[in-house]
Amino acid sequence: KAGVTQTPRYLIKTRGQQVTLSCSPISGHRSVSWYQQTPGQGLQFLFEYFSETQRNKGNFPGRFSGRQFSNSRSEMNVSTLELGDSALYLCASSSGTAAIAGELFFGEGSRLTVL
Amino acid sequence: AQSVAQPEDQVNVAEGNPLTVKCTYSVSGNPYLFWYVQYPNRGLQFLLKYITGDNLVKGSYGFEAEFNKSQTSFHLKKPSALVSDSALYFCAVRVANAGNNRKLIWGLGTSLAVNP
Repeated sequence: KAGVTQTPRYLIKTRGQQVTLSCSPISGHRSVSWYQQTPGQGLQFLFEYFSETQRNKGNFPGRFSGRQFSNSRSEMNVSTLELGDSALYLCASSSGTAAIAGELFFGEGSRLTVL
Repeated sequence: AQSVAQPEDQVNVAEGNPLTVKCTYSVSGNPYLFWYVQYPNRGLQFLLKYITGDNLVKGSYGFEAEFNKSQTSFHLKKPSALVSDSALYFCAVRVANAGNNRKLIWGLGTSLAVNP
């Protein structure tokens, strides 16, 4: 069974640009969560989607948005990039029951550098 | 406020020795607790979880964790460390907000270095 796939793995943007990151969950998983990982802040929850509906949202500004498609693939978008948005963005998928229990399967992440 | 703390940024242990990575939590209600591991340039991998039942939970790669309700702790342990255990370890707790939407709160991570 293929794991969680995130694209692109690495990208470099400049301040003010926008970026879209993609996540393909494990087949059959309907829950997708996004996290931002930085050395100083650890893992910060961005949002969770289940069956195309945002089920939970973290404390990030409106520049961070996401969506989920009918095939459970998810995208997140960051507009008007700031230097502080440089981070590893992790996507995690789960079956419905496991998502409630908290057992997540992570992708390898998209490392965003903002110059 | 609900939180998770990993009091040690780094733990160093010699190969073959027992290891402990500490985690304490503060949540309302009964906690769901988790340990995840992250190898360099990789995503996180689930190690083990405690939801209910036996306070000693066994997980992947020979790791185990002990839930202690009175001390609000969930320390990760392994009887004999391997060099390949060197990685970043995260403790997490599941919380629910007023709308009963659940999410995980994460510790900042502990870097484990196992020396040959």
